[in-house]
Amino acid sequence: QQQVKQSPQSLIVQKGGISIINCAYENTAFDYFPWYQQFPGKGPALLIAIRPDVSEKKEGRFTISFNKSAKQFSLHIMDSQPGDSATYFCAASISWRHKLSFGAGTTVTVRA
Amino acid sequence: NAGVTQTPKFRVLKTGQSMTLLCAQDMNHEYMYWYRQDPGMGLRLIHYSVGEGTTAKGEVPDGYNVSRLKKQNFLLGLESAAPSQTSVYFCASSAGTTEDTQYFGPGTRLTVL
Repeated sequence: QQQVKQSPQSLIVQKGGISIINCAYENTAFDYFPWYQQFPGKGPALLIAIRPDVSEKKEGRFTISFNKSAKQFSLHIMDSQPGDSATYFCAASISWRHKLSFGAGTTVTVRA
Repeated sequence: NAGVTQTPKFRVLKTGQSMTLLCAQDMNHEYMYWYRQDPGMGLRLIHYSVGEGTTAKGEVPDGYNVSRLKKQNFLLGLESAAPSQTSVYFCASSAGTTEDTQYFGPGTRLTVL
């Protein structure tokens, strides 16, 4: 069974809007939570990552919010642009094992 | 730096045929991984390697074998292909450090008829 549950499966947002993708996990031993971005026909690439000792991390227009007690984390894409149209995967791992468990992915479409 | 490369990019097989996918990385990474990507399933780990000469099973290892004879190469084999193995296969590598970014190849689209 999938160790990381991701929602929604897809979303459409207008240019300039906010995209929000949510993920939940059960394994409290997870201590590394990256997000990967994948464009059609390409391999995934690391977008941003967070560790559970902080509740939020921001890089440009991308922000991860992390709620340790709820075992949830989310990706916010501010001021969404057509170039952000891609599939986004959340993931989680136990650092020393170096193995990622991925969510099912969210396809984001930004309409101009 | 080519990063992670995969060969071939596309392949069509008939049920029962065998094939090998090749992954190569030029970043001197210790860890290498093979994933399959299916719609609505995300990326699922097939096998991985923590160093030259080592391999280990991931989530969905059945029907696949791997070998890592050289540090820079990781081979994925299908001995007797089945339609259920139709998928996009990605190879990835990582340095195995605390901030453990996995670098992915461009993928191989495999169709088994």
